[in-house]
Amino acid sequence: EVFLVESGGGLVRPGGSLRLSCAASGFTFTNAWMTWVRQGPGKRLEWIGRIKSASDGGTIDYAASVKDRFVISRDDSKNTLYLQMNSLQTDDTAVYFCTEGSFDFWGQGTQVTVSS
Amino acid sequence: DIQMTQSPSSLSASIGDRVTITCQASQDITNYLNWFQQKPGEAPKLLIYDASKLERGVPLTFSGSGSGTNFSLTISNLRPEDLATYYCQQYDDLPPTFGPGTKVDLK
Repeated sequence: EVFLVESGGGLVRPGGSLRLSCAASGFTFTNAWMTWVRQGPGKRLEWIGRIKSASDGGTIDYAASVKDRFVISRDDSKNTLYLQMNSLQTDDTAVYFCTEGSFDFWGQGTQVTVSS
Repeated sequence: DIQMTQSPSSLSASIGDRVTITCQASQDITNYLNWFQQKPGEAPKLLIYDASKLERGVPLTFSGSGSGTNFSLTISNLRPEDLATYYCQQYDDLPPTFGPGTKVDLK
């Protein structure tokens, strides 16, 4: 059975940083393209970015709203996906989900609140 | 970015009703469209991919249709567990973009 478990969320002040993790199990993580999606309060789902598998080049793509502030990475030896979030703004307040490349499987999400 | 719209934004229906939600893309996305169901406090659940293919384990009461720019999701026989918000999403081009959602509740 596939499990994706996000962690690392919390309350952070504007301008601060936070690193989210997504621990994966139940599938071959090394071959998977992994994606971060977020959902602000009362807002639609928003794709943040994606990292391809190393065998597919490991390319990373970002949404314009987070490019140059957020960094997606992965550690295939630990079956873990990361999202480093810098220069956080109040608009970044959301539940952050990790999902396997085809959006078949999702984690439960982790809440990030940016507030002074 | 490709813009996705949905209608209605919300609807009230009775158990056993046939419910249809529509989704429109701002440009041709062929059939690269997903439908998700989301309940409060939960992650989205993939129902339909490639516009009309049923994800494994999803009840046959769900169906999807359409191509190009116009799509629809139909629930043929609404059950209590189907009360949720439904989102369409295009994956024809980066970034993948979602519709605003359609909330289905009980009349």
